[in-house]
Amino acid sequence: EPEVTQTPSHQVTQMGQEVILRCVPISNHLYFYWYRQILGQKVEFLVSFYNNEISEKSEIFDDQFSVERPDGSNFTLKIRSTKLEDSAMYFCASRIGTSSYNEQFFGPGTRLTVL
Amino acid sequence: ELKVEQNPLFLSMQEGKNYTIYCNYSTTSDRLYWYRQDPGKSLESLFVLLSNGAVKQEGRLMASLDTKARLSTLHITAAVHDLSATYFCAGTYGGATNKLIFGTGTLLAVQP
Repeated sequence: EPEVTQTPSHQVTQMGQEVILRCVPISNHLYFYWYRQILGQKVEFLVSFYNNEISEKSEIFDDQFSVERPDGSNFTLKIRSTKLEDSAMYFCASRIGTSSYNEQFFGPGTRLTVL
Repeated sequence: ELKVEQNPLFLSMQEGKNYTIYCNYSTTSDRLYWYRQDPGKSLESLFVLLSNGAVKQEGRLMASLDTKARLSTLHITAAVHDLSATYFCAGTYGGATNKLIFGTGTLLAVQP
């Protein structure tokens, strides 16, 4: 069964460093998302991406964040200069099409630890 | 903007007992989802509720939706230890974007 994959599963970085989190959405899906979950808290929407551009972003998604679909398969989240408060689990999700009936499928997540 | 609240935040229950998790949302939501999350793991989709009065059941879990009351419930019947996890409800909001707005989650601990 097709699934969303994410790499790495765990990333440790120093404050101020850049990190890139990678996702491979399900191959025929058109909508892509990033969510984050700070330890013990709820899942929060970061950004949605469709047709090679951001369709919506949250207040959390400031200038330090960017997303890209560099080729036909990967979907990346870059944090330019990480802060301690960026430590969280980051989930990628994808959805097949434009109907609001289409469900989002989540990847296994990347745990980001900023020291 | 859509806000989603769950209660209780934490639920400790004994095996064999029944209980209900409540999910209230603030404005019209296109649909309502329930997810399960095991510690350190991703989100597993349990139910998608599409319309008022929708009821879905899978094993010991049953979810329902009352759009007039803006309330969804997840009912656990005869709990078993394997159901221990965090359960999130989420609504969709925002047209074609369909971003998910999650509730605070309910940590369920089923004691033998």
